[in-house]
Amino acid sequence: SYELTQPPSVSVSPGQTARITCSGDALPKQSAYWYHQKAGQAPVLLIYQDTERPSGIPDRFSGSSSGTTVTLTISGVQAEDEADYYCQSADNSGTWVFGGGTKLTVL
Amino acid sequence: QVQLQESGPGLVKPSETLSLTCTVSGGSISTYYWNWIRQPPGKGLEWIGYIYYRGYTNYNPSLKSRLTMSVDTSRNEFSLKLSSVTAADTAVYYCARADDGSGFAYWGQGILVTVSS
Repeated sequence: SYELTQPPSVSVSPGQTARITCSGDALPKQSAYWYHQKAGQAPVLLIYQDTERPSGIPDRFSGSSSGTTVTLTISGVQAEDEADYYCQSADNSGTWVFGGGTKLTVL
Repeated sequence: QVQLQESGPGLVKPSETLSLTCTVSGGSISTYYWNWIRQPPGKGLEWIGYIYYRGYTNYNPSLKSRLTMSVDTSRNEFSLKLSSVTAADTAVYYCARADDGSGFAYWGQGILVTVSS
């Protein structure tokens, strides 16, 4: 089955930039989405169609794509950004899939 | 503002059928893709499948043989049935709306379903 690969954890100090990657063979053809999930809460959509930000999402969150890897960048990380981050996309048969998740720790 | 709310039993016995309903308020169910997503305790998210308002379904192949989804546009709700459950099906189950190309923009708060005798 198709998999999206994320690093299990990323650590960053407040004010610095965090980058979370997501790799998958179908990503050159399929859009990617990013969500964050704080403890005990439902996930929240951060990025859609690789680079687009829904209204209400701070502009310190941005997405980019290069080949089989998409990247979520969080500029000027704040303590409140500590959460689990998930990428999501589809395989070429239309099955939707999530990455394994990345725990962002703000030091 | 669109809101989704899951409902159903929080405890299901092994080998029985898990049944959940998601009620949509603040908008019509008569468009978009209506999804179920689950998250075992301490683990990541797993997409279960979706139903389009006209009844077309797309299921995760790993669960397809045990899954049935339905939609009731008159009640603005959609449902999930997962048969022959085991402890591995214990999870928080979320319902979510997916817009075409815009991701899972709206989520319910989630409901914990435990499979245990």
